[in-house]
Amino acid sequence: AQSVTQLGSHVSVSEGALVLLRCNYSSSVPPYLFWYVQYPNQGLQLLLKYTSAATLVKGINGFEAEFKKSETSFHLTKPSAHMSDAAEYFCAVSDPGYSTLTFGKGTMLLVSP
Amino acid sequence: GAVVSQHPSWVICKSGTSVKIECRSLDFQATTMFWYRQFPKQSLMLMATSNEGSKATYEQGVEKDKFLINHASLTLSTLTVTSAHPEDSSFYICSAGEDRGTYEQYFGPGTRLTVT
Repeated sequence: AQSVTQLGSHVSVSEGALVLLRCNYSSSVPPYLFWYVQYPNQGLQLLLKYTSAATLVKGINGFEAEFKKSETSFHLTKPSAHMSDAAEYFCAVSDPGYSTLTFGKGTMLLVSP
Repeated sequence: GAVVSQHPSWVICKSGTSVKIECRSLDFQATTMFWYRQFPKQSLMLMATSNEGSKATYEQGVEKDKFLINHASLTLSTLTVTSAHPEDSSFYICSAGEDRGTYEQYFGPGTRLTVT
């Protein structure tokens, strides 16, 4: 069975600081990995995805994530936080060939001026 | 591209009534649609997966007679909450997937259901 662990239910950064949101996964086969962002009372928007191509994946809004098989990690980073980045972030995993996603519990990113 | 809509965006209903939520893929054909439930400050919990023209597959613990899912076409799936109770109040999110190899899901904006 697959699982996703997001370390830290809340992460606080100052505007302009580095953003690092952690995600570790468990999967019996090489997975597909996703990061989604959710603003209050809205659905999920895909930030980026890893589907067995390049291990460093660049997404929208300046976010990127690196797939590290040896560490079973897929951490999300952004060099400089913006106030508009404040939202809930979800890491998700799926098996290639299956469309079902398993989500982590989410990390709320708080950005202070 | 890949836009998914949900209707209504919010609904308030009385206990004992039924509510239907629509999920539409606007610019692509969705081979599979998913329904999730999200409680405040929690993650998304998959309720069921539906494929066009066939019965939905429900996750363990989800009452299929209470949460009726119909995937009548490649662009429309509906979730009907029957005999709603206050504990059914939640944020319901649908997503649609197209089989293009990456199995990406495109999410709707969600429906806030409040049962009084």
